[in-house]
Amino acid sequence: DTGVSQDPRHKITKRGQNVTFRCDPISEHNRLYWYRQTLGQGPEFLTYFQNEAQLEKSRLLSDRFSAERPKGSFSTLEIQRTEQGDSAMYLCASSLAWVVASGSSYNEQFFGPGTRLTVL
Amino acid sequence: GENVEQHPSTLSVQEGDSAVIKCTYSDSASNYFPWYKQELGKRPQLIIDIRSNVGEKKDQRIAVTLNKTAKHFSLHITETQPEDSAVYFCAASMEDTGRRALTFGSGTRLQVQP
Repeated sequence: DTGVSQDPRHKITKRGQNVTFRCDPISEHNRLYWYRQTLGQGPEFLTYFQNEAQLEKSRLLSDRFSAERPKGSFSTLEIQRTEQGDSAMYLCASSLAWVVASGSSYNEQFFGPGTRLTVL
Repeated sequence: GENVEQHPSTLSVQEGDSAVIKCTYSDSASNYFPWYKQELGKRPQLIIDIRSNVGEKKDQRIAVTLNKTAKHFSLHITETQPEDSAVYFCAASMEDTGRRALTFGSGTRLQVQP
């Protein structure tokens, strides 16, 4: 499968525990995004990497959340001291940014299957 | 920051009819507008997108229109089929510079009745 993959697909944890999710983007995609989706809502942006650099973080990303992309390939999202409000689907997306002659860059984002987190 | 509003929240049509979903955005600097289809329990899938240098784009039964002046864009599905039933999300972002992350609308649940 050459698409975006995420692991685990489901995670059940008790409040106060730490959890870590992994995302493997499409090979050679230089941008990687994390989103969170709750039931009945659209995905909400959390953070984004270009190669290994974390370039943007949402205000939604409290200090309990940390993300890394150490070698510019896979990424991990860690949530410390989980709370019930963290229960959601965590989606990863990747894109390949490239510039055409007109100067425009292309940024189609392709999503992974998500990790569903349930905090009891 | 950007705010994207989407309506209707639910839409029921008969097979073969057309469906239209509308979105408005707030940041005039946004220049990239994708549409995603999400079936129950599955990942969002990109179905069509449009950039601000064009007003309309078509791909078989799906078309998207963009009105930059009014800051709204719409998804049109013609000859709907039961397999079109899903939740559709519009989104907006700025390519090249600025906010590359997508800001999504709240979704439209489309049900195509056979």
